[in-house]
Amino acid sequence: GQQVMQIPQYQHVQEGEDFTTYCNSSTTLSNIQWYKQRPGGHPVFLIQLVKSGEVKKQKRLTFQFGEAKKNSSLHITATQTTDVGTYFCANTGNQFYFGTGTSLTVIP
Amino acid sequence: DTAVSQTPKYLVTQMGNDKSIKCEQNLGHDTMYWYKQDSKKFLKIMFSYNNKELIINETVPNRFSPKSPDKAHLNLHINSLELGDSAVYFCASSLAGNYGYTFGSGTRLTVV
Repeated sequence: GQQVMQIPQYQHVQEGEDFTTYCNSSTTLSNIQWYKQRPGGHPVFLIQLVKSGEVKKQKRLTFQFGEAKKNSSLHITATQTTDVGTYFCANTGNQFYFGTGTSLTVIP
Repeated sequence: DTAVSQTPKYLVTQMGNDKSIKCEQNLGHDTMYWYKQDSKKFLKIMFSYNNKELIINETVPNRFSPKSPDKAHLNLHINSLELGDSAVYFCASSLAGNYGYTFGSGTRLTVV
């Protein structure tokens, strides 16, 4: 079945450093959504990308959808302690797959 | 003003018992879901309901039975609980089509 892999699985950064998580699929994705889950919390929807090559920004967060619609990335500039959590990509087209997640720790 | 609420928040029970988790959304969404998150944080869809009809039933044991009395409610009943059922169960809802999900706060189920 379709799998959506994310790398890295874990990332520790010093506060102020940048962070990137990558999402890769073996098949073409109809869309890609990104979610953030704080420790002990529930996933919260961040954004959706639909078009090939699409780039969207939310303050310090930049989201990209690959040209072939098989991969995506989330980049955080100058991390803050409030960025701590697990970031998931998800494909919610005809199927409902969440990526394996990247757990981000920000060291003050 | 809770958008997606699920109860209970915590559930500790013995093997072999039957339990239910309730979910309600007040967003007017027409699709609701149940997801299971294991100890490694993998999120796996279990069921999806659109306007009270089941549209996805991934390979979950038939001990799990979803029930949707109306499009604002999707409950999950689990029979003969097993140790491996221990996980966090999330209810979610969305508009039909490619829209973001709104998740409930989760139910942490522990089977002892």
